[in-house]
Amino acid sequence: AQTVTQSQPEMSVQEAETVTLSCTYDTSESDYYLFWYKQPPSRQMILVIRQEAYKQQNATENRFSVNFQKAAKSFSLKISDSQLGDAAMYFCAYRIQGAQKLVFGQGTRLTINP
Amino acid sequence: GAVVSQHPSRVICKSGTSVKIECRSLDFQATTMFWYRQFPKKSLMLMATSNEGSKATYEQGVEKDKFLINHASLTLSTLTVTSAHPEDSSFYICSASLPANYGYTFGSGTRLTVV
Repeated sequence: AQTVTQSQPEMSVQEAETVTLSCTYDTSESDYYLFWYKQPPSRQMILVIRQEAYKQQNATENRFSVNFQKAAKSFSLKISDSQLGDAAMYFCAYRIQGAQKLVFGQGTRLTINP
Repeated sequence: GAVVSQHPSRVICKSGTSVKIECRSLDFQATTMFWYRQFPKKSLMLMATSNEGSKATYEQGVEKDKFLINHASLTLSTLTVTSAHPEDSSFYICSASLPANYGYTFGSGTRLTVV
């Protein structure tokens, strides 16, 4: 069974600094997709970034970037120049090609200190 | 684009009654929708996957007779919590699979309180 593990229940960072959230996953598949979702206090799930496993290049979206290590089955999220609005729960998620459902990690609660 | 509207955002009901939660895709056709339950400070737990025009596929341990899912059109899926009890109190979120790009969009969630 596919599993996603986020080993950091909570993280905090000073405003304007950089923070990295870790995520590992377990799969025997070669074709899959990885996602990071943000859930702010409003509880609306917001897509932060996605990565196709066949792409070697790490995905980036403005201040958000990933370090995708396929062999190590690792998919960490780096947030640069942290802002107060980045405070949220962050969930790593995985989906195999051809499947429908997402498998979520346990989440990491990120606090931004002003 | 690709907005999913979920209603109601909050509902309080008496024990033993049924509650219906709606999830509508506003600007796209949602062939597949998902229903999640989220406990406080926990991750999303998939309850079921619904495909338009067919029966929902429930995850192991989810009571299909208690959580009725209907996906009769390409823009509407509903979750009905039947004979609700206080232990059904939770945050329920719907999600739709976006066509062609393997992404997902989520509703804003429904906080159900059963008293």
